[in-house]
Amino acid sequence: SQQGEEDPQALSIQEGENATMNCSYKTSINNLQWYRQNSGRGLVHLILIRSNEREKHSGRLRVTLDTSKKSSSLLITASRAADTASYFCATVNSNSGYALNFGKGTSLLVTP
Amino acid sequence: DTGVSQDPRHKITKRGQNVTFRCDPISEHNRLYWYRQTLGQGPEFLTYFQNEAQLEKSRLLSDRFSAERPKGSFSTLEIQRTEQGDSAMYLCASSTPGGKETQYFGPGTRLLVL
Repeated sequence: SQQGEEDPQALSIQEGENATMNCSYKTSINNLQWYRQNSGRGLVHLILIRSNEREKHSGRLRVTLDTSKKSSSLLITASRAADTASYFCATVNSNSGYALNFGKGTSLLVTP
Repeated sequence: DTGVSQDPRHKITKRGQNVTFRCDPISEHNRLYWYRQTLGQGPEFLTYFQNEAQLEKSRLLSDRFSAERPKGSFSTLEIQRTEQGDSAMYLCASSTPGGKETQYFGPGTRLLVL
């Protein structure tokens, strides 16, 4: 079963703009991770935020986590055409500690 | 760093045939995971191993699906009597111990059942 729900399902922006994607989940988690997937390929890990963290940065990426609202956001600043991909949030539940539970993803299109 | 590799990358088979996919994890990773991804969806967890022990298999989709990791290194996922609904991308991932850390994914095997 899918744990997370990303919003929006699709996002189209121009190069240089910022892109924000949101993720909501249902159960208590150990951590939340964001992955990127280029068309039909494997997933690339972007960033992991633990349940006791509120914000994390990595290059042009900024992730926030609000465990009280069971939600997270991924901000990509100064987007590039190469950022075009699907972005997934995935949670590791507190009671399992191994399986990643993915949402359906946000499809991001960055046009030059 | 060779990363996680999967073989084959693509497989076309006829309904009713058996197929087997292979995954080679990152060498120092003792945890190995299998996921399935259908079009427009996120990956769905199937099973995982710690070394050679299969610690979770209740989420395998049916008894036609089985996985092995006999020596705690590479793993195989077999689907018997394939059905058209089995058409999907099958992804393998590996991680270091702890279960809370990053999983590194392979490129996937895309299966098409005709």
